[in-house]
Amino acid sequence: DQQVKQNSPSLSVQEGRISILNCDYTNSMFDYFLWYKKYPAEGPTFLISISSIKDKNEDGRFTVFLNKSAKHLSLHIVPSQPGDSAVYFCAASVTGGYQKVTFGTGTKLQVIP
Amino acid sequence: KAGVTQTPRYLIKTRGQQVTLSCSPISGHRSVSWYQQTPGQGLQFLFEYFSETQRNKGNFPGRFSGRQFSNSRSEMNVSTLELGDSALYLCASSTGTGVREQYFGPGTRLTVT
Repeated sequence: DQQVKQNSPSLSVQEGRISILNCDYTNSMFDYFLWYKKYPAEGPTFLISISSIKDKNEDGRFTVFLNKSAKHLSLHIVPSQPGDSAVYFCAASVTGGYQKVTFGTGTKLQVIP
Repeated sequence: KAGVTQTPRYLIKTRGQQVTLSCSPISGHRSVSWYQQTPGQGLQFLFEYFSETQRNKGNFPGRFSGRQFSNSRSEMNVSTLELGDSALYLCASSTGTGVREQYFGPGTRLTVT
């Protein structure tokens, strides 16, 4: 049972445009969400997170939006740069669940120069 | 600070054998989590150790086990290897208290033939 779903395996965007990566979850107990970026031959690196008490969190070019009623979150990258080309993982956890984090299957983003 | 290190980086084993993977977390981090990454499955949570105790466990068979030492270094063992165990095994460390962002190592690529 995939509790965190990233339905788009891949996404191509022109440099300078907006990239929107989507993530859906089924477990209503999730209250903390994270995005990680992964380059080939490297481990994932933390990008941005959001608590369920917020609906938006911004960090530079990266913004995460959370829609609790729809159990949906999205990561916006504006403007997209070629160095953003990587696999992006959405992840979710439950307060009190310590470091048990449920990851999605990832979306491969390609930013075309 | 040095990052999370994993050894070995690559491993080839034969079906039926056993394997031990090692992870050294960031200095000061007491939590170590292990994940299995396979194509199309994203990162699957194996288990988490905090101060030498297993605090969380994923849905993997008992062939997968781990331990953590007093210096927070962790090992993961897989016994009676199967072809389906071929994957990238990622280790992640964190403080383990409050903050849920994790720092990942580069992974160990295990191939079972």
